[in-house]
Amino acid sequence: KAGVTQTPRYLIKTRGQQVTLSCSPISGHRSVSWYQQTPGQGLQFLFEYFSETQRNKGNFPGRFSGRQFSNSRSEMNVSTLELGDSALYLCASSLGQGVIEQYFGPGTRLTVT
Amino acid sequence: DAKTTQPPSMDCAEGRAANLPCNHSTISGNEYVYWYRQIHSQGPQYIIHGLKNNETNEMASLIITEDRKSSTLILPHATLRDTAVYYCIVNGANSKLTFGKGITLSVRP
Repeated sequence: KAGVTQTPRYLIKTRGQQVTLSCSPISGHRSVSWYQQTPGQGLQFLFEYFSETQRNKGNFPGRFSGRQFSNSRSEMNVSTLELGDSALYLCASSLGQGVIEQYFGPGTRLTVT
Repeated sequence: DAKTTQPPSMDCAEGRAANLPCNHSTISGNEYVYWYRQIHSQGPQYIIHGLKNNETNEMASLIITEDRKSSTLILPHATLRDTAVYYCIVNGANSKLTFGKGITLSVRP
C-alpha cells in the first residue's frame, strides 16, 4: 500500500506570494491533518480535514487555509507569505476523525525569501 | 501546554535495550499515551500507544506505571537506524497531536 505523498517536496517562494501544497493520503484513509515544523517552534498542528470538512484547527492566522476533496486528497494554502513561514509542512493521514495513529508524509520544505 | 516531560537526550549501545522515559503526571482517565519518532529529514512515524496495560508490537514495548503518571518506551535491541527524536504524547480521541521537544536517542556502534 502506498504511503502518504506530498507535492512538491521543495519550494522556494518570495515574501508576499501565495503557495499551495498537496497531500494524497493512504488509500482508504479519510482524515488528513497538516502540521508545520520549524526549528524554533517544533511540530505544530495546523488543521484536520475529514469528509471534506475542517474538523479541528490549530492556532495559526487566517492566511493558512486548507481543503479536502471527495477523494480525501487535501491541499493547504498559505497567502501573503512571510519569512517566518519557512518551514517543513507535514501531512498525516488516518482512517478517520479522532484516530490518533497517523501516518506522515515526507513533507514539503518551503523556503520564503 | 506540554502534558509530557522527557529528558532532552540519551544514548545507548547498538544491540542493547533503549529505555526512553516519559512523565505525564496530569494525564486524564480517558487519555492514551502515544509514542512517535522522527528520523532526520523524515516525517514522524507512529510507534505504539497504550491506555493502562503494557503493550508490545513489532517495533517496541510500552510500559505504563500503575498510577499512569509515567511510562517507558523500550526498544529491545537498538540499531543505528533507531537514532531519532522520540515523542511521547498524551491524547484522548482528538486528532490534534501536540508534540513537545521529544528525546533525542543516539545509538552508538
